[in-house]
Amino acid sequence: GQNIDQPTEMTATEGAIVQINCTYQTSGFNGLFWYQQHAGEAPTFLSYNVLDGLEEKGRFSSFLSRSKGYSYLLLKELQMKDSASYLCAVTDSNYQLIWGAGTKLIIKP
Amino acid sequence: IAGITQAPTSQILAAGRRMTLRCTQDMRHNAMYWYRQDLGLGLRLIHYSNTAGTTGKGEVPDGYSVSRANTDDFPLTLASAVPSQTSVYFCASKAGETDTQYFGPGTRLTVL
Repeated sequence: GQNIDQPTEMTATEGAIVQINCTYQTSGFNGLFWYQQHAGEAPTFLSYNVLDGLEEKGRFSSFLSRSKGYSYLLLKELQMKDSASYLCAVTDSNYQLIWGAGTKLIIKP
Repeated sequence: IAGITQAPTSQILAAGRRMTLRCTQDMRHNAMYWYRQDLGLGLRLIHYSNTAGTTGKGEVPDGYSVSRANTDDFPLTLASAVPSQTSVYFCASKAGETDTQYFGPGTRLTVL
């Protein structure tokens, strides 16, 4: 079956760095997405990785290792507004997105 | 440009009633999707449409139907609502196969 695993909840301190991990087992792979979802709102796009390596975009970076079925999202200089759920999703061989359950990130002052 | 709109924002519905959730996009995207999101389960695909005139079943299609008469609209119908269909429903669209999916604001549905 298809499966995406990520931690349910993480806590970090304002100004610090946090890494959210995602492991996946899917039928085929055509890219991995990270989305941010604030409570009561829709998911919004953060990053896309299709090749191995690190993609940096401001305070957010995303890493992919296809051979290990592994990705992480790195958030630097955490701000209170980063408190949200972070969703990992993989595009499978049918170009459908398979979603993880999301990681709720709590930022403390 | 509105992107994707959904209506209603929220709805309380008696079990057994018929309900249509509306979704409209103005980005001329080919593919559209309906998801439900429940606590601890993440987003689950109900139905999808890769292009106008075609639809397909996702992971949890039972009790739901869709149509795609044109590019912009993708309504989701619950023929006879049941309490287990209480959820937040998101509509999404994307331009091409590997493109980003963009989401509407969601409809919060409660079936009593």
